[in-house]
Amino acid sequence: GQNIDQPTEMTATEGAIVQINCTYQTSGFNGLFWYQQHAGEAPTFLSYNVLDGLEEKGRFSSFLSRSKGYSYLLLKELQMKDSASYLCAFDSGGYQKVTFGTGTKLQVIP
Amino acid sequence: EAQVTQNPRYLITVTGKKLTVTCSQNMNHEYMSWYRQDPGLGLRQIYYSMNVEVTDKGDVPEGYKVSRKEKRNFPLILESPSPNQTSLYFCASSLSLGYGYTFGSGTRLTVV
Repeated sequence: GQNIDQPTEMTATEGAIVQINCTYQTSGFNGLFWYQQHAGEAPTFLSYNVLDGLEEKGRFSSFLSRSKGYSYLLLKELQMKDSASYLCAFDSGGYQKVTFGTGTKLQVIP
Repeated sequence: EAQVTQNPRYLITVTGKKLTVTCSQNMNHEYMSWYRQDPGLGLRQIYYSMNVEVTDKGDVPEGYKVSRKEKRNFPLILESPSPNQTSLYFCASSLSLGYGYTFGSGTRLTVV
């Protein structure tokens, strides 16, 4: 079957670095997404990894290991506005069938 | 402004009364999708569409219908709503997978 696991909640300090992990199991896999969702709002796209390795976008980086079924989102220089839920999702190959995890709620404290 | 527009934002209805949630995008995207979001369950895909007249079931299609007669519109139809369809619904569109989805603002549906 298909499954995604990520921690339910995390707390980190303003200015610090936090890593949000995601593991997945699926028979078909094309790529791994990360989305950010602030409370009461729609998710917004952060990254999409197809190849193994680290991709950096400003303060946010995303890593993928296809052989291990593992990804992480790295947030540097945390800001209060980074308090949000971070959703991991994979697509099963073509046709826009995208499966989301339940999300990790990150709280940034002063 | 490039966007996905859903209507209504909030809806309270009674069991069995047919309803339609509209979704429209102005980005000429081929791919569109409907999700529902429930506490502890995350976003679950209801239906998705690859292009006009091409749709397929997601993970939780029971009790829902969709149509894609025009590229910009992808309405979600609940023929006979039940209380277990009370949820937050999101419509989304994308140019292609690598660009990710653009989500609408959501529709909070309550079925009593």
